[in-house]
Amino acid sequence: AQKVTQAQTEISVVEKEDVTLDCVYETRDTTYYLFWYKQPPSGELVFLIRRNSFDEQNEISGRYSWNFQKSTSSFNFTITASQVVDSAVYFCALSEEFRSGSRLTFGEGTQLTVNP
Amino acid sequence: GAGVSQSPSNKVTEKGKDVELRCDPISGHTALYWYRQSLGQGLEFLIYFQGNSAPDKSGLPSDRFSAERTGGSVSTLTIQRTQQEDSAVYLCASSGRQGRKTEAFFGQGTRLTVV
Repeated sequence: AQKVTQAQTEISVVEKEDVTLDCVYETRDTTYYLFWYKQPPSGELVFLIRRNSFDEQNEISGRYSWNFQKSTSSFNFTITASQVVDSAVYFCALSEEFRSGSRLTFGEGTQLTVNP
Repeated sequence: GAGVSQSPSNKVTEKGKDVELRCDPISGHTALYWYRQSLGQGLEFLIYFQGNSAPDKSGLPSDRFSAERTGGSVSTLTIQRTQQEDSAVYLCASSGRQGRKTEAFFGQGTRLTVV
Protein backbone atom coordinates (compact mmCIF):
# COMPACT_ATOMS: atom_id res chain seq x y z
CA ALA A 1 0.00 0.00 0.00
CA GLN A 2 1.11 3.50 -0.69
CA LYS A 3 1.63 5.90 2.16
CA VAL A 4 2.37 9.55 2.70
CA THR A 5 3.74 10.81 6.01
CA GLN A 6 3.80 14.40 7.15
CA ALA A 7 5.48 14.21 10.51
CA GLN A 8 4.88 17.85 11.44
CA THR A 9 1.33 18.20 12.70
CA GLU A 10 1.59 21.91 13.47
CA ILE A 11 4.16 24.60 12.76
CA SER A 12 4.05 28.15 14.04
CA VAL A 13 6.36 30.86 12.70
CA VAL A 14 6.62 34.61 12.74
CA GLU A 15 6.04 36.52 9.54
CA LYS A 16 9.06 36.71 7.21
CA GLU A 17 10.59 33.52 8.55
CA ASP A 18 11.32 30.69 6.16
CA VAL A 19 9.54 27.43 6.85
CA THR A 20 9.91 23.91 5.44
CA LEU A 21 7.13 21.34 5.45
CA ASP A 22 8.30 17.75 5.29
CA CYS A 23 6.77 14.95 3.25
CA VAL A 24 7.95 11.35 3.06
CA TYR A 25 6.23 8.77 0.89
CA GLU A 26 6.22 5.05 0.28
CA THR A 27 5.37 3.39 -3.00
CA ARG A 28 6.29 0.34 -5.03
CA ASP A 29 5.48 2.06 -8.30
CA THR A 30 8.39 3.16 -10.44
CA THR A 31 6.28 5.87 -12.00
CA TYR A 32 4.30 8.05 -9.69
CA TYR A 33 3.27 11.62 -9.10
CA LEU A 34 3.51 13.78 -6.03
CA PHE A 35 1.38 16.79 -5.20
CA TRP A 36 1.06 19.56 -2.67
CA TYR A 37 -2.28 21.09 -1.83
CA LYS A 38 -3.13 24.05 0.40
CA GLN A 39 -6.31 24.13 2.47
CA PRO A 40 -7.05 27.63 3.78
CA PRO A 41 -9.68 28.22 6.47
CA SER A 42 -12.35 28.40 3.76
CA GLY A 43 -11.92 24.64 3.37
CA GLU A 44 -11.30 24.30 -0.36
CA LEU A 45 -8.13 22.44 -1.32
CA VAL A 46 -5.99 24.42 -3.71
CA PHE A 47 -3.58 22.63 -6.01
CA LEU A 48 -0.01 23.95 -5.71
CA ILE A 49 2.31 21.66 -7.60
CA ARG A 50 2.65 18.29 -9.33
CA ARG A 51 5.94 16.44 -9.71
CA ASN A 52 6.61 13.19 -11.53
CA SER A 53 9.04 10.58 -10.30
CA PHE A 54 11.43 11.04 -13.21
CA ASP A 55 11.99 14.72 -12.67
CA GLU A 56 14.15 15.48 -9.65
CA GLN A 57 14.79 19.10 -10.54
CA ASN A 58 13.89 21.42 -7.76
CA GLU A 59 11.21 23.92 -8.61
CA ILE A 60 10.70 27.48 -7.48
CA SER A 61 7.56 29.52 -7.87
CA GLY A 62 7.77 32.90 -6.25
CA ARG A 63 8.19 32.36 -2.50
CA TYR A 64 7.47 28.63 -2.85
CA SER A 65 10.06 25.98 -3.60
CA TRP A 66 10.01 22.21 -3.65
CA ASN A 67 12.84 19.77 -3.04
CA PHE A 68 12.23 16.29 -4.46
CA GLN A 69 14.76 13.64 -3.44
CA LYS A 70 13.97 10.20 -4.76
CA SER A 71 16.82 8.61 -2.79
CA THR A 72 15.14 9.53 0.49
CA SER A 73 11.55 9.38 -0.81
CA SER A 74 10.96 12.95 0.24
CA PHE A 75 9.18 15.88 -1.35
CA ASN A 76 9.64 18.85 0.94
CA PHE A 77 8.02 22.24 0.52
CA THR A 78 9.63 25.52 1.58
CA ILE A 79 7.96 28.88 1.94
CA THR A 80 10.40 31.76 1.95
CA ALA A 81 9.61 34.98 3.80
CA SER A 82 6.32 33.63 5.09
CA GLN A 83 3.23 35.81 5.25
CA VAL A 84 0.09 35.66 7.36
CA VAL A 85 -1.88 34.63 4.27
CA ASP A 86 0.21 31.46 4.10
CA SER A 87 -1.57 30.19 7.21
CA ALA A 88 -3.36 27.03 6.16
CA VAL A 89 -3.19 23.26 6.29
CA TYR A 90 -0.83 21.87 3.69
CA PHE A 91 -1.25 18.36 2.33
CA CYS A 92 1.23 16.26 0.47
CA ALA A 93 -0.28 13.57 -1.78
CA LEU A 94 0.84 10.63 -3.89
CA SER A 95 -0.98 9.48 -7.01
CA GLU A 96 -1.28 5.78 -7.52
CA GLU A 97 -2.61 3.91 -10.51
CA PHE A 98 -5.75 2.19 -9.36
CA ARG A 99 -7.99 0.05 -11.50
CA SER A 100 -9.40 2.22 -14.27
CA GLY A 101 -7.84 5.42 -13.12
CA SER A 102 -5.93 6.98 -10.30
CA ARG A 103 -6.53 8.26 -6.82
CA LEU A 104 -4.64 10.50 -4.49
CA THR A 105 -3.37 9.23 -1.17
CA PHE A 106 -2.94 12.13 1.23
CA GLY A 107 -0.76 12.71 4.22
CA GLU A 108 -2.30 13.87 7.48
CA GLY A 109 -1.52 17.48 6.74
CA THR A 110 0.57 20.16 8.45
CA GLN A 111 -1.17 23.12 10.05
CA LEU A 112 0.97 26.18 9.38
CA THR A 113 0.31 29.32 11.39
CA VAL A 114 2.14 32.49 10.44
CA ASN A 115 1.92 35.12 13.14
CA PRO A 116 2.31 38.84 12.43
CA GLY B 1 -19.16 26.21 -13.83
CA ALA B 2 -15.83 27.72 -12.95
CA GLY B 3 -15.10 25.27 -10.17
CA VAL B 4 -16.38 22.23 -8.34
CA SER B 5 -19.59 23.08 -6.53
CA GLN B 6 -20.92 21.19 -3.52
CA SER B 7 -24.20 21.53 -1.71
CA PRO B 8 -25.22 21.99 0.96
CA SER B 9 -22.20 23.64 2.53
CA ASN B 10 -23.38 22.61 5.96
CA LYS B 11 -25.77 19.90 7.05
CA VAL B 12 -26.93 19.01 10.54
CA THR B 13 -28.94 15.83 10.83
CA GLU B 14 -30.26 13.58 13.52
CA LYS B 15 -28.74 10.20 14.09
CA GLY B 16 -30.54 7.58 12.02
CA LYS B 17 -31.68 9.91 9.26
CA ASP B 18 -30.54 9.66 5.64
CA VAL B 19 -28.62 12.50 3.96
CA GLU B 20 -27.74 13.32 0.38
CA LEU B 21 -24.70 15.38 -0.57
CA ARG B 22 -24.39 16.83 -4.04
CA CYS B 23 -21.38 17.56 -6.23
CA ASP B 24 -21.28 19.47 -9.52
CA PRO B 25 -17.88 18.86 -11.14
CA ILE B 26 -16.07 21.17 -13.49
CA SER B 27 -17.73 21.02 -16.88
CA GLY B 28 -16.06 18.49 -19.15
CA HIS B 29 -14.19 16.69 -16.38
CA THR B 30 -14.56 12.95 -16.72
CA ALA B 31 -13.22 11.86 -13.33
CA LEU B 32 -14.98 12.54 -10.04
CA TYR B 33 -13.84 11.68 -6.53
CA TRP B 34 -15.36 11.77 -3.07
CA TYR B 35 -13.13 12.11 -0.02
CA ARG B 36 -13.93 12.42 3.66
CA GLN B 37 -12.01 14.60 6.09
CA SER B 38 -12.64 14.02 9.77
CA LEU B 39 -11.67 16.66 12.32
CA GLY B 40 -7.91 17.05 12.42
CA GLN B 41 -7.40 14.16 10.04
CA GLY B 42 -6.16 13.71 6.52
CA LEU B 43 -8.30 12.92 3.52
CA GLU B 44 -9.85 9.49 3.24
CA PHE B 45 -10.71 8.22 -0.24
CA LEU B 46 -14.32 7.07 -0.59
CA ILE B 47 -15.25 6.52 -4.23
CA TYR B 48 -14.09 7.31 -7.75
CA PHE B 49 -16.02 7.67 -11.02
CA GLN B 50 -14.30 7.70 -14.41
CA GLY B 51 -16.44 8.32 -17.46
CA ASN B 52 -18.86 5.46 -18.08
CA SER B 53 -16.76 2.88 -16.25
CA ALA B 54 -18.02 1.11 -13.16
CA PRO B 55 -17.14 3.23 -10.13
CA ASP B 56 -14.38 2.27 -7.74
CA LYS B 57 -16.22 1.90 -4.44
CA SER B 58 -13.36 0.37 -2.50
CA GLY B 59 -13.10 3.27 -0.06
CA LEU B 60 -16.71 3.34 1.11
CA PRO B 61 -16.60 2.58 4.85
CA SER B 62 -19.87 0.65 5.06
CA ASP B 63 -22.94 -0.36 3.06
CA ARG B 64 -24.72 2.67 4.48
CA PHE B 65 -22.72 4.74 2.01
CA SER B 66 -23.53 4.86 -1.69
CA ALA B 67 -22.94 7.24 -4.57
CA GLU B 68 -24.29 7.85 -8.02
CA ARG B 69 -23.18 9.91 -10.94
CA THR B 70 -25.91 10.76 -13.41
CA GLY B 71 -25.13 11.49 -17.04
CA GLY B 72 -21.43 11.57 -16.32
CA SER B 73 -21.79 14.87 -14.51
CA VAL B 74 -23.51 15.53 -11.18
CA SER B 75 -22.85 13.11 -8.34
CA THR B 76 -24.80 12.39 -5.17
CA LEU B 77 -23.30 10.76 -2.09
CA THR B 78 -25.96 9.18 0.11
CA ILE B 79 -25.47 8.15 3.71
CA GLN B 80 -28.26 6.06 5.18
CA ARG B 81 -29.05 5.76 8.86
CA THR B 82 -26.39 8.29 9.78
CA GLN B 83 -24.20 7.72 12.82
CA GLN B 84 -22.24 10.22 14.87
CA GLU B 85 -18.97 8.89 13.47
CA ASP B 86 -20.14 9.99 10.02
CA SER B 87 -19.64 13.61 11.12
CA ALA B 88 -16.94 15.02 8.86
CA VAL B 89 -16.33 17.26 5.88
CA TYR B 90 -17.12 15.49 2.63
CA LEU B 91 -15.03 16.75 -0.25
CA CYS B 92 -15.68 16.24 -3.93
CA ALA B 93 -13.04 16.64 -6.63
CA SER B 94 -12.94 16.35 -10.39
CA SER B 95 -10.20 16.05 -12.95
CA GLY B 96 -10.06 16.19 -16.69
CA ARG B 97 -7.65 13.42 -17.39
CA GLN B 98 -7.21 9.82 -16.49
CA GLY B 99 -3.96 8.62 -14.99
CA ARG B 100 -1.49 9.27 -12.23
CA LYS B 101 -0.42 12.71 -13.31
CA THR B 102 -3.90 14.06 -12.89
CA GLU B 103 -4.35 16.93 -10.51
CA ALA B 104 -7.75 17.05 -8.93
CA PHE B 105 -9.72 20.24 -8.31
CA PHE B 106 -11.69 20.26 -5.09
CA GLY B 107 -14.95 21.82 -3.99
CA GLN B 108 -15.33 23.57 -0.67
CA GLY B 109 -16.91 20.54 0.90
CA THR B 110 -20.05 19.73 2.85
CA ARG B 111 -19.67 19.81 6.61
CA LEU B 112 -21.91 17.08 8.00
CA THR B 113 -22.79 17.03 11.68
CA VAL B 114 -24.77 14.12 13.07
CA VAL B 115 -26.38 14.89 16.42
